[in-house]
Amino acid sequence: GQQVMQIPQYQHVQEGEDFTTYCNSSTTLSNIQWYKQRPGGHPVFLIQLVKSGEVKKQKRLTFQFGEAKKNSSLHITATQTTDVGTYFCAGQRAGNNRKLIWGLGTSLAVNP
Amino acid sequence: ETGVTQTPRHLVMGMTNKKSLKCEQHLGHNAMYWYKQSAKKPLELMFVYSLEERVENNSVPSRFSPECPNSSHLFLHLHTLQPEDSALYLCASSQDHGGRGEKLFFGSGTQLSVL
Repeated sequence: GQQVMQIPQYQHVQEGEDFTTYCNSSTTLSNIQWYKQRPGGHPVFLIQLVKSGEVKKQKRLTFQFGEAKKNSSLHITATQTTDVGTYFCAGQRAGNNRKLIWGLGTSLAVNP
Repeated sequence: ETGVTQTPRHLVMGMTNKKSLKCEQHLGHNAMYWYKQSAKKPLELMFVYSLEERVENNSVPSRFSPECPNSSHLFLHLHTLQPEDSALYLCASSQDHGGRGEKLFFGSGTQLSVL
């Protein structure tokens, strides 16, 4: 079935370093969403990307949607300890079945 | 505070118990969801309700029984669960369902342990 692969599974960085997580779908997506889940918390919506090649920024976070609408990335510049958590992508299928397909998430740890 | 409240936060139950999870949303949304979150697995969609009508049931065992009495409340009734059902159960809501890009608002979840 359709899958959304997310890499890496874990990332450990020093505070101030950059971080990137990648999301790849086996098929074309209608749109993709990103969520953040803090340890012991619940997923919180960050952003949705809809257009081919779209780039959106939220302060130190940069989100990209690939030209083919099959991949996406989240880049954090100069990580802070508040960035700790698991980042999930969720792609919505194109076509009639608009089910959300979730990635496994990338867990980010930040050393102060 | 996301506007979606789940109770209880933690639940330990035996395999023969019957319990219910409760979810309430204060956002005026039309769609509500139950998700299961287990370690090393993607979030699993269990049920979707849109305007109080069940629109999706993703091959969930009958020991999980949802109930949506109105658009603000959602329950998950549990009976004769198995240890492998231990997980974080998340309720979510969205403005609508079936459109393009449903932004989900999650509750804090119920951490369920089945002994």
